[in-house]
Amino acid sequence: NAGVMQNPRHLVRRRGQEARLRCSPMKGHSHVYWYRQLPEEGLKFMVYLQKENIIDESGMPKERFSAEFPKEGPSILRIQQVVRGDSAAYFCASSSSAYEQYFGPGTRLTVT
Amino acid sequence: SQQGEEDPQALSIQEGENATMNCSYKTSINNLQWYRQNSGRGLVHLILIRSNEREKHSGRLRVTLDTSKKSSSLLITASRAADTASYFCATDARETSGSRLTFGEGTQLTVNP
Repeated sequence: NAGVMQNPRHLVRRRGQEARLRCSPMKGHSHVYWYRQLPEEGLKFMVYLQKENIIDESGMPKERFSAEFPKEGPSILRIQQVVRGDSAAYFCASSSSAYEQYFGPGTRLTVT
Repeated sequence: SQQGEEDPQALSIQEGENATMNCSYKTSINNLQWYRQNSGRGLVHLILIRSNEREKHSGRLRVTLDTSKKSSSLLITASRAADTASYFCATDARETSGSRLTFGEGTQLTVNP
């Protein structure tokens, strides 16, 4: 039973480019969460999705960031026109019951 | 204000000693969870304690929860060098139930062989 999968594990983008981060939840999980971790800090909630619906996006920056969880395929976190401050580790988690969340290995985004 | 603050920020002990980390939070919760993160890696779920529980054990881990003081502690007994990692508490707040976990800044534990 594979865990939460995220790809790519490392992503380097130049300022102004787009970053697409993918998350495949554990089998049977319909809740997906995205978190961001800046160096030496804890994780900060960004967005909570269920299939085809954004449930809570209160942690998402108002501009340039978007997320989706389509009926088929992985959840995508998209960052347009990346800036240096977007450099961070982005973690996805999934759950079946909205209680215990299982985390993926993360995508480390570096903006040069 | 910060929810889920760990104390201390960093802890260095010798192998075999016990390590205690504390976490305080501010709002009413459904449950509190502890995670471990090795440097540059993802998070590993350690233990979940519900708001109506006071203590929980899992192997060498012991977690307590005091909802009146809004605090929790994680005790690792007979520590090993492999326990070296950052430890985070995360709360599932009643007002946002199931919507998110709120993490503290973490405690960096170093276990010296």
